[in-house]
Amino acid sequence: EVQLVESGGGSVQPGGSLRLSCAVSGFSVSRSYISWLRQAPGKRLEWVSDIYSGGQTYYADSVNGRFTLSRDNSKNMLYFQMNSLRVEDTAVYYCARLFTGSFWYLDLWGRGTLVTVSS
Amino acid sequence: EIVLTQSPGTLSLSPGERATLSCRASQSVTSRLLSWYQQRPGQAPRPLIYASSTRATGIPDRFSGSGSGTDFTLTISRLEPEDFAVYYCQQRDTSPTFGQGTRVEIK
Repeated sequence: EVQLVESGGGSVQPGGSLRLSCAVSGFSVSRSYISWLRQAPGKRLEWVSDIYSGGQTYYADSVNGRFTLSRDNSKNMLYFQMNSLRVEDTAVYYCARLFTGSFWYLDLWGRGTLVTVSS
Repeated sequence: EIVLTQSPGTLSLSPGERATLSCRASQSVTSRLLSWYQQRPGQAPRPLIYASSTRATGIPDRFSGSGSGTDFTLTISRLEPEDFAVYYCQQRDTSPTFGQGTRVEIK
């Protein structure tokens, strides 16, 4: 089955760290473009980060320098290391496959994992 | 950053009615980089329309997209019970952004 499954969410205090995982099945992460997005309670979706098939990573200004996206091709997994967490990072985090070519869009989404940053 | 503004915020309609959702961009967006997503309560978003007007796999033909430049529209020709949800537009012309969403609720 072609799917992405996020895990690793939970509760953490401000300033803490958390590592999210995205397990991919049915296609290869090494040949794919993957995005991370988040949605704070009652808020709009927000793009957070991309990793391209060539390994290039891109980040939203709000997380640049604090979050790091990586992948393990042998395990077909992606990892999202989140450091120096802030209350405003509280959200459901989704990984999604980015279809690229003549047009770009998120064609396959995971179910998401909840991150709560609170003292 | 391109700001996407969706209107209306909430659309109250009955099953069988037509829904017209607007997405306006603060600057011109390349049509092939504008997409629409549906999010039902407690679920992840799913793709509806990409490249402004192309239906994603498995999306029924009652959904259609149109527009160019700064004005884009998602139309649901006849609402089915499962269509009552929140709809988001997204652009990837520059750093990706989403609209704030339009909630389609049962009247």
